[in-house]
Amino acid sequence: DGGITQSPKYLFRKEGQNVTLSCEQNLNHDAMYWYRQDPGQGLRLIYYSQIVNDFQKGDIAEGYSVSREKKESFPLTVTSAQKNPTAFYLCASSTTGANQPQHFGDGTRLSIL
Amino acid sequence: AQKVTQAQTEISVVEKEDVTLDCVYETRDTTYYLFWYKQPPSGELVFLIRRNSFDEQNEISGRYSWNFQKSTSSFNFTITASQVVDSAVYFCALGFHNTNAGKSTFGDGTTLTVKP
Repeated sequence: DGGITQSPKYLFRKEGQNVTLSCEQNLNHDAMYWYRQDPGQGLRLIYYSQIVNDFQKGDIAEGYSVSREKKESFPLTVTSAQKNPTAFYLCASSTTGANQPQHFGDGTRLSIL
Repeated sequence: AQKVTQAQTEISVVEKEDVTLDCVYETRDTTYYLFWYKQPPSGELVFLIRRNSFDEQNEISGRYSWNFQKSTSSFNFTITASQVVDSAVYFCALGFHNTNAGKSTFGDGTTLTVKP
């Protein structure tokens, strides 16, 4: 089945530690996205990538980093600079074009120990 | 500025009631796209519908219907004869023509609870 796989489902981070969230898709989509969702709030865009080896900052990129070395993979690193990382993180992908709907993974819930 | 407002934070209905979820958007673009997504408790957002700004035809899909009105910048979503399985968070989103990526601005979502 085609889809998006995010791992792990739950992740705990210690103070001062970097953690990496995995996102893999087998939909052959060019564009991939990372969103952060806080309780009672909508999705806020962290980073997005339209093509391999290229990515752009979204609305809340500070404290996060990404890479896009392969079409199917778009890992997100939450760095120690992100002071409030506890949230639900969603990865999505789409074919290129503003009118294309996004396909989402199941999400990763990150908590601080 | 691009903005999506879903004024209803939470809605609770009893099964078989009809319910309408409101979505109001703001954009200066003349070409744009509107989306509705459903987020069940499992967390994954599921795409429901897309509407282009130049197509104001309303759409019905089973128990779901959408009413797009450019005059009021609204794209409302109605569930007829609601069921418990409709319980979820519903997001309205706005996509822009002036970008190649499918970037979208999301509303804050409406949590729908359907009680048996």
